[in-house]
Amino acid sequence: IAGITQAPTSQILAAGRRMTLRCTQDMRHNAMYWYRQDLGLGLRLIHYSNTAGTTGKGEVPDGYSVSRANTDDFPLTLASAVPSQTSVYFCASSREGKDTQYFGPGTRLTVL
Amino acid sequence: AQSVAQPEDQVNVAEGNPLTVKCTYSVSGNPYLFWYVQYPNRGLQFLLKYITGDNLVKGSYGFEAEFNKSQTSFHLKKPSALVSDSALYFCAVRDGPSSASKIIFGSGTRLSIRP
Repeated sequence: IAGITQAPTSQILAAGRRMTLRCTQDMRHNAMYWYRQDLGLGLRLIHYSNTAGTTGKGEVPDGYSVSRANTDDFPLTLASAVPSQTSVYFCASSREGKDTQYFGPGTRLTVL
Repeated sequence: AQSVAQPEDQVNVAEGNPLTVKCTYSVSGNPYLFWYVQYPNRGLQFLLKYITGDNLVKGSYGFEAEFNKSQTSFHLKKPSALVSDSALYFCAVRDGPSSASKIIFGSGTRLSIRP
């Protein structure tokens, strides 16, 4: 069992380009989340999904979009990347929204 | 609105000594409280949580945390620190079980254990 996988591991992207970060879990968890981690700010929630077919906005959703077509996958898309989106992005999942979250290894994104 | 604070950016402890990493929170209802640890270039790993019941919660790697409702605190503790405990620690809080409430993470405390 892999748990949660994220791809790519790291990426350097030119400003204005479109980018999709991938997240897949094999634990059949209902809830999934995207966070960004920035020095001194901890983790901030970007978007979440309590179950397949539904999504919601977190603390910092602007410039990002998500979809949840099935239970396993929760891709995060940056439609037009900007340098302020340089960060480490973590995907997480939990059995239900109130349960312990399990995190992927992260994607380090640099927007130039 | 819910919030969580970790007042110390860094905690330095000698190996074998007890350690404490502080966390305070603010919620309107009953708090769900969590501690996570992050090792370099890795995702967060769950350590322990408080939902209800005994105020002293025991978790992974010998860590424990005490829920103090009057002080709105949930400090992480370990009786005897190991060099391998050096990592970044995050406290998190959720305002009850409602699907409308979200988990909020603190800014993190870097724990450094010297040999």
